[in-house]
Amino acid sequence: KNQVEQSPQSLIILEGKNCTLQCNYTVSPFSNLRWYKQDTGRGPVSLTIMTFSENTKSNGRYTATLDADTKQSSLHITASQLSDSASYICVVSAQEGKLIFGQGTTLQVKP
Amino acid sequence: GAVVSQHPSWVICKSGTSVKIECRSLDFQATTMFWYRQFPKQSLMLMATSNEGSKATYEQGVEKDKFLINHASLTLSTLTVTSAHPEDSSFYICSPIRTSKDGSSSYNEQFFGPGTRLTVL
Repeated sequence: KNQVEQSPQSLIILEGKNCTLQCNYTVSPFSNLRWYKQDTGRGPVSLTIMTFSENTKSNGRYTATLDADTKQSSLHITASQLSDSASYICVVSAQEGKLIFGQGTTLQVKP
Repeated sequence: GAVVSQHPSWVICKSGTSVKIECRSLDFQATTMFWYRQFPKQSLMLMATSNEGSKATYEQGVEKDKFLINHASLTLSTLTVTSAHPEDSSFYICSPIRTSKDGSSSYNEQFFGPGTRLTVL
């Protein structure tokens, strides 16, 4: 069964600190893996998209990694800001185009 | 990036009434549109897929007569929740697909609207 699992479910960090969010998936065959940021009451906004052959991709203070062999991905946030408080969703695209969504990690950055 | 708008951004209605949600892709044409709903603290759940000019394909468990989808143009899709009940209260998000070209090949990009919060009393 195609699944995407994220951990932790929620996370609280202090402003300025770094954090890493995890995503494990069992989707096969795999097309690409995406990380989205979803602010409360808003639609998801794309942070990174990685295909099978890409190991890492950065978008400002966000760096995503992908290990297609172990089917794991991580999203690292550097020097967190209060505006980083949001849900971060890992989404894996199967080759037929269907998106499999993770449950998300809720990040709260405190001053 | 691509600009996607939804209207209204939030709506409160009485049980039994119908609510129409509009989704527009403002700077690109979307042949395919996905509609999702999201309950509190849960992930997005795909409701249906629609292609311009065709009938929508609904996911298992989603009533097509209750959630009417119209994708009459490449820039506008609507979702109408008919005879809404409190259990239909949710966050509804549209997601249009933009097809782009990279040399001789084409690829699809999926974007999300800002969402519509529906509360049925």
